[in-house]
Amino acid sequence: AQKITQTQPGMFVQEKEAVTLDCTYDTSDQSYGLFWYKQPSSGEMIFLIYQGSYDEQNATEGRYSLNFQKARKSANLVISASQLGDSAMYFCAMTDSWGKLQFGAGTQVVVTP
Amino acid sequence: DSGVTQTPKHLITATGQRVTLRCSPRSGDLSVYWYQQSLDQGLQFLIQYYNGEERAKGNILERFSAQQFPDLHSELNLSSLELGDSALYFCASSPQDRLTYGYTFGSGTRLTVV
Repeated sequence: AQKITQTQPGMFVQEKEAVTLDCTYDTSDQSYGLFWYKQPSSGEMIFLIYQGSYDEQNATEGRYSLNFQKARKSANLVISASQLGDSAMYFCAMTDSWGKLQFGAGTQVVVTP
Repeated sequence: DSGVTQTPKHLITATGQRVTLRCSPRSGDLSVYWYQQSLDQGLQFLIQYYNGEERAKGNILERFSAQQFPDLHSELNLSSLELGDSALYFCASSPQDRLTYGYTFGSGTRLTVV
């Protein structure tokens, strides 16, 4: 069975600093996808970044980058130059080859001025 | 606007009642997924439909059922509601039945059972 672990329940980060959110996963599938979603207090789920299990390069999307270490089964999200609007809950998630998405418990990020 | 439409946005109902949540997928998407987000269980996959057929089932209670109609919209029916069913219910859609990239979430239906 698949498992996603986010060990940081919450973090404070100062504006303009970078922050790394940890995510480890466990799966026996060879083909899988790793995702990060942002959920602001309004509740919607916003897609941030995707990494496929066969992708050799780390994914980047603007200020978001995914540090993918396949052998260690980790997929950490790095947010560079944090902004106040980055305050939200962040979820790491993983799909199996059938498309079912499993989420971690989430990390609450608070960006301070 | 993500393109995935969920109605209603908020729903308050009493224990023992039955409600129906509706989801219209993004144009062209054939797959619909339902998720439940509660404080104690986190985000959990409930069920997936692809082009009208059930494809995968997760932690969906027997009191809950879903279907996808010919126009591809989906409904999640929750019956004999209990206080613990209070949660945010998300629908997501994708073009395929096997996810290769990502899918789009609706804004959710917040269900409160009193």
